Amino acid sequence: GQSLEQPSEVTAVEGAIVQINCTYQTSGFYGLSWYQQHDGGAPTFLSYNALDGLEETGRFSSFLSRSDSYGYLLLQELQMKDSASYFCAVKGGGNKLTFGTGTQLKVEL
Amino acid sequence: DAGVIQSPRHEVTEMGQEVTLRCKPISGHNSLFWYRQTMMRGLELLIYFNNNVPIDDSGMPEDRFSAKMPNASFSTLKIQPSEPRDSAVYFCASSFDTGGDEQYFGPGTRLTVT
Repeated sequence: GQSLEQPSEVTAVEGAIVQINCTYQTSGFYGLSWYQQHDGGAPTFLSYNALDGLEETGRFSSFLSRSDSYGYLLLQELQMKDSASYFCAVKGGGNKLTFGTGTQLKVEL
Repeated sequence: DAGVIQSPRHEVTEMGQEVTLRCKPISGHNSLFWYRQTMMRGLELLIYFNNNVPIDDSGMPEDRFSAKMPNASFSTLKIQPSEPRDSAVYFCASSFDTGGDEQYFGPGTRLTVT
């Protein structure tokens, strides 16, 4: 089976940098995805890492270490609109995703 | 380009009634996923289809739940009979197998069973 751990809540100020960690235990692993979900909305895709290293997309970056079963999402130049829940998700066989419990990010002035 | 379409957006029903949730995936996508989201259990995969064929239904909680995908542009998730513990937001998502790794989620159906 799959299990993922991420912090339940993170608070940061506008303009700051925040890192959301994710550790996982899986029986099959193809990659780690990150999704963003605003209150009342649907999850939306942010990034995917299949190989070790850092992937950068604008203000957001995602990192994966397969040997450590660990990844993180890095958000830079935080904006109020970044307040949302962030989910890591392990991709198993057949495009199947298993989601973590989510990290609620609060961005304050 | 329309995204994933789900209907209804909200459903309130009484315990014991049948509930049918509907999903139209993005045209050209060949994988379709049904998820359930609750505060207690988070976002859970219920079942997914590839090329209209159910591949993994291990997340379907019990026999009261069933899902079908009669063609590439339509899927249903049925609960019969419904129970209060089925109250949740149900999301449908679709993706293209050999494309990127992104799943595109619909807006969800908020189900309340009283």
